[in-house]
Amino acid sequence: DQQVKQNSPSLSVQEGRISILNCDYTNSMFDYFLWYKKYPAEGPTFLISISSIKDKNEDGRFTVFLNKSAKHLSLHIVPSQPGDSAVYFCAATSNYQLIWGAGTKLIIKP
Amino acid sequence: DSGVTQTPKHLITATGQRVTLRCSPRSGDLSVYWYQQSLDQGLQFLIQYYNGEERAKGNILERFSAQQFPDLHSELNLSSLELGDSALYFCASSTSGGASGANVLTFGAGSRLTVL
Repeated sequence: DQQVKQNSPSLSVQEGRISILNCDYTNSMFDYFLWYKKYPAEGPTFLISISSIKDKNEDGRFTVFLNKSAKHLSLHIVPSQPGDSAVYFCAATSNYQLIWGAGTKLIIKP
Repeated sequence: DSGVTQTPKHLITATGQRVTLRCSPRSGDLSVYWYQQSLDQGLQFLIQYYNGEERAKGNILERFSAQQFPDLHSELNLSSLELGDSALYFCASSTSGGASGANVLTFGAGSRLTVL
């Protein structure tokens, strides 16, 4: 049972435009949501998180939006840069467990 | 450098063999997590230790075992290796025992295991 789903395996975006990565979840008890970024042959690195009691969190070019009624969150990257090309994982926490999505590969085209 | 050290970086071995992967957590972190990432797959949680005690268990095979030592480093033992065990094994650490929003995991660079 996949509690955290990233339905797009990959996404291609023009440099300078907005990248929107999506994540859906099924467990309404999740209390925090996190995004991690992973380059090939490296471990994931933490990017941004959002509490379930908020609907938006912003950090520089990165903004995460949470829609609890739809059980959906999204990561917006504006403007997209070549260094943003990576795999992005959505993760959620509940009961001391961190549940991961399968990841979305973001490709920034020049 | 994330502060989480994993050794070895690469390991090639044969089916049926046993290997040990080692992880030193970031200074001050008490929790260690092990993850497996097979080719183009997501991260599969294996097991978590907090201050020497097993805290949570994920999809860890019986052929696999782990422990966390008093100095907080951890080892993941993989035995009776099969071709399908070829993967990247990541260790992560965190300050507390729970995966809450404030408890961000810091990952090591991973150990790539190839079973021939």
